[in-house]
Amino acid sequence: GENVEQHPSTLSVQEGDSAVIKCTYSDSASNYFPWYKQELGKRPQLIIDIRSNVGEKKDQRIAVTLNKTAKHFSLHITETQPEDSAVYFCAASKPTGNQFYFGTGTSLTVIP
Amino acid sequence: DTGVSQDPRHKITKRGQNVTFRCDPISEHNRLYWYRQTLGQGPEFLTYFQNEAQLEKSRLLSDRFSAERPKGSFSTLEIQRTEQGDSAMYLCASSFEGSPLHFGNGTRLTVT
Repeated sequence: GENVEQHPSTLSVQEGDSAVIKCTYSDSASNYFPWYKQELGKRPQLIIDIRSNVGEKKDQRIAVTLNKTAKHFSLHITETQPEDSAVYFCAASKPTGNQFYFGTGTSLTVIP
Repeated sequence: DTGVSQDPRHKITKRGQNVTFRCDPISEHNRLYWYRQTLGQGPEFLTYFQNEAQLEKSRLLSDRFSAERPKGSFSTLEIQRTEQGDSAMYLCASSFEGSPLHFGNGTRLTVT
């Protein structure tokens, strides 16, 4: 099966600074990598995703990069704001899409 | 709200009792997933349906757990003879082939 590792488990940044969360995966057949944000007591919500045919994707202050050779992908949040505080999960999925394998999460705190 | 809905939101039960949760996916989604999430962890895959067929079950899913999706629409997850270790958030998600997972708000189970 797939094994997704995520680092760091906790991250504190000052408002306005950047935050980077990194994930590695084990199965080279994985080709779809979504990122979810989960606020306390709420459902995980998709914030950005990337497929293996591209190396980078950006949406306003959020970007994701993918290195297929090294089997790792990263979430970058620039100009962080207090409302970015949440737990972020990375995930990996194979072409069949039968299973999504999640990382253990990163608790991000943005200090005003 | 046309998102994924789950019922109940919270369930407190005594050890040894049976519980059943319901999930209503987004109507046009043919895939339905059940995940379990404990504090500080990412969602763990339990089982997956494509239409009414249960195609995959995790080894985490003991014989006390059973899931159904009788008409390819809503799904139920039943836990028999609950144990304290079953206490967790049970998340349902749905997708259409190749699309991202959309999660419900979850059912928080507490076994006393």
